[in-house]
Amino acid sequence: AQSVTQLGSHVSVSEGALVLLRCNYSSSVPPYLFWYVQYPNQGLQLLLKYTSAATLVKGINGFEAEFKKSETSFHLTKPSAHMSDAAEYFCAVSGDDKIIFGKGTRLHILP
Amino acid sequence: DAGVIQSPRHEVTEMGQEVTLRCKPISGHNSLFWYRQTMMRGLELLIYFNNNVPIDDSGMPEDRFSAKMPNASFSTLKIQPSEPRDSAVYFCASSPSYFGKSETQYFGPGTRLLVL
Repeated sequence: AQSVTQLGSHVSVSEGALVLLRCNYSSSVPPYLFWYVQYPNQGLQLLLKYTSAATLVKGINGFEAEFKKSETSFHLTKPSAHMSDAAEYFCAVSGDDKIIFGKGTRLHILP
Repeated sequence: DAGVIQSPRHEVTEMGQEVTLRCKPISGHNSLFWYRQTMMRGLELLIYFNNNVPIDDSGMPEDRFSAKMPNASFSTLKIQPSEPRDSAVYFCASSPSYFGKSETQYFGPGTRLLVL
């Protein structure tokens, strides 16, 4: 069985500041981990995924995430926030036959 | 490619009515997923198909919900009778191959359902 927890349902950062969205997971088997982004009135789209290769995963739009097994974490970061990053972000874990999504974190960008 | 296509985009209906949501996956994709998104429960997997065969429907809330995939290019999710608590955004997603742990899912734009 697996589960995923996203810390903070809302995160606000200033434009140009570091973005950090937190995700912790649990899985009884080696997990595969994903970050998806959802813009208003749209479906989810993949930002990046970890599939047991490099622990630092680079995605689209300047985002990256680091898999830390010891901390069971897969936090999403971006060095400098842009207004266009305002969206909802979902962390997901796939271990057994299911994929489980977190509740999401809405990212607000302050001008 | 046009991506995953869902129709209708918005549906307003009255309690007790039948609702049918439609999905056309990306051509060549072999897996199809139906999700429901609400503020309270987040994104929930309802059912998924591999090669048009339902594999796991354990997320379907109750017998009022049913899903079919008569061919590789079309799927429906039906709610009969509908209830106000079914109000949500329903997403369809597809992925290229038989569902595996590392597969990326491609989501449609969703159908926003409101049951009065």
